[in-house]
Amino acid sequence: QVQLVESGGGLVKPGGSLRLSCAASGFAFSDYLMSWIRQAPGKGLEWVSYISSSAGNTYYADSVKGRFTISRDNAKNSLYLQMNSLRDEDTAVYYCASMGYYDSSGHWIENVQHWGQGTLVTVSS
Amino acid sequence: DVVMTQSPLSLPVTLGQPASISCRSSQSLVWSDGSTYLSWFQQRPGQSPRRLIYKVSNRDSGVPDRFSGSGSGTDFTLKISRVEAEDVGVYYCMQGSHWPFTFGQGTKLEIK
Repeated sequence: QVQLVESGGGLVKPGGSLRLSCAASGFAFSDYLMSWIRQAPGKGLEWVSYISSSAGNTYYADSVKGRFTISRDNAKNSLYLQMNSLRDEDTAVYYCASMGYYDSSGHWIENVQHWGQGTLVTVSS
Repeated sequence: DVVMTQSPLSLPVTLGQPASISCRSSQSLVWSDGSTYLSWFQQRPGQSPRRLIYKVSNRDSGVPDRFSGSGSGTDFTLKISRVEAEDVGVYYCMQGSHWPFTFGQGTKLEIK
């Protein structure tokens, strides 16, 4: 069955860095656009970043642009988020999630169905 | 970015009664292929979001048939025919027709 397992969260001081990882299994990871979505305590869902299947294209929310870097290793079925210059407002649960893929005919198939359990990042002095 | 606006933001419901959540988008969600990528997610307390409905009205596998989605263009609705205790949580709509994808603010369903 499909599994997305995040790791790497923890407590970090403002200005510090963390690297999140997401291990995928049970689906064609290398075909999928993948994303990181975060949820601050008691708040809603916010797209942080996403990456194309080949890693050729990336997107970042304005709130993290220039500080976060998304990457993937299709050989390892893994997604990553390098977070630098962390701020208090980056405190959140970070979820790894699928976005969709292009089928053999080149048609986009949106599929935000697969989510991990989340990893908590706490930025505090 | 497309703004998704949900109402109400808080929804107290009596067990066994119906519930309805509205979601409006700031622009049409009809994509170039004719599909409308509007999904609904349920997030129970302490859990990850779970997709219930995709492409407006298609239920995911394992989702009870008391959940239904409808709508078109910019106006969409999630309905629960008879609320059960396990339905407590926050419900989000999400559009996947325009980049970047965006979520609504969430509607918190609680038992009255």
